[in-house]
Amino acid sequence: GNSVTQMEGPVTLSEEAFLTINCTYTATGYPSLFWYVQYPGEGLQLLLKATKADDKGSNKGFEATYRKETTSFHLEKGSVQVSDSAVYFCALSDQGYGGATNKLIFGTGTLLAVQP
Amino acid sequence: NAGVMQNPRHLVRRRGQEARLRCSPMKGHSHVYWYRQLPEEGLKFMVYLQKENIIDESGMPKERFSAEFPKEGPSILRIQQVVRGDSAAYFCASSPPRGGQDTQYFGPGTRLTVL
Repeated sequence: GNSVTQMEGPVTLSEEAFLTINCTYTATGYPSLFWYVQYPGEGLQLLLKATKADDKGSNKGFEATYRKETTSFHLEKGSVQVSDSAVYFCALSDQGYGGATNKLIFGTGTLLAVQP
Repeated sequence: NAGVMQNPRHLVRRRGQEARLRCSPMKGHSHVYWYRQLPEEGLKFMVYLQKENIIDESGMPKERFSAEFPKEGPSILRIQQVVRGDSAAYFCASSPPRGGQDTQYFGPGTRLTVL
């Protein structure tokens, strides 16, 4: 079945450092890919998405490119801030049998801690 | 436009009691998804509903769990005879009718603690 694998955390960085969180996927067909962010005690917020190969999603300085050849969707940011500290989830959309469903398959999440 | 609403935010139940979790989707959204997040794990899909219909319940435990999304009112996730292993955060997400179906918007979650 479809699945998402993302790098384990925690990832600890100093402010203004470069961030990469790796995400690879296994899927049949052409799923959409997402990054969600979860701040402590809150729900998930959509950070960015890409719906087809070579698409680049970007938001708030974060970006990720849908790479079909490497089945990857790595999250990057050039200069992290303390306020970026959160758990980041990579996900893909799974249309299920018959295409009637659009459930999300999530990775296990990566905790990012940014120190001042 | 209010976001996805869930209540209660925190729920404490003793073993054997029932838990009812409510989800009001965003205005104009007719698709609701429930996910469960066990401690230190990612979210796992449970069920997908449209108004008055269960479309996919492949992630629901076979016993004690049920979900509904009536014509009027919020979607309800019901857990009967709760056990300690049901302690988790339960998230609801909604999406608009097909055409924007790809993006799901999440509520703040209900954190269930079973004593």
